[in-house]
Amino acid sequence: EVQLVQSGAEVKKPGESLKISCKGSGYSFSTYWIAWVRQLPGKGLEWMGIIYPGDSDTRYSPSFQGQVTISADKSMNSAYLQWSSLKASDTAMYYCASLYGPGNFYTHFDYWGQGTLVTVSS
Amino acid sequence: EIVLTQSPGTLSLSPGERATLSCRASQSVSSSYLAWYQQKPGQAPRLLIYGASSRATGIPDRFSGSGSGTDFTLTISRLEPEDFAVYYCQQYGSSPRTFGQGTKLQIK
Repeated sequence: EVQLVQSGAEVKKPGESLKISCKGSGYSFSTYWIAWVRQLPGKGLEWMGIIYPGDSDTRYSPSFQGQVTISADKSMNSAYLQWSSLKASDTAMYYCASLYGPGNFYTHFDYWGQGTLVTVSS
Repeated sequence: EIVLTQSPGTLSLSPGERATLSCRASQSVSSSYLAWYQQKPGQAPRLLIYGASSRATGIPDRFSGSGSGTDFTLTISRLEPEDFAVYYCQQYGSSPRTFGQGTKLQIK
């Protein structure tokens, strides 16, 4: 069974750093692109970027370029989303999702993680 | 960047009725690379339709997708109580991938 399990909820202060994770199981993790999606409180879905764990090829949405860092460790079957200095406006639910089909870049999101709630407040 | 505009923003219907949700793109979506997702409160989104008209595994046949180019539609033929949720369209034919703002389907 394919599963994406994300790390737990985080409460941080502005200016702090954070790295959240997404661990895949039940499939060949390194050969499927993984995407990150933001959902602000009460709002819609925003595509942040994607990574190919096999070689860490990463693409960012222009809206998130320079704001976050996406990485992966194929030996750990995990992808990561990282902030160096959080802002209150980063408060949101963050989802990872796997793209359909090995190596497929232009394809839909097949499986989703359960989400990680990040709260940034002083 | 392709902007997806969903309409209506909120749709109020009763169980058993037919729901028609629209997704319009600011430019043509390559190869009908359009998907629909359902999201219920407190849950992650779930894939319903991909390639504009192909149902995902396990999705009931009351859900259907259609359209091409810039105009796409998600139809739910007879609403069940569990269908009341928020629906998002997404294009994945060009980067950045973009989502529509969502249509909330609520019980009338």
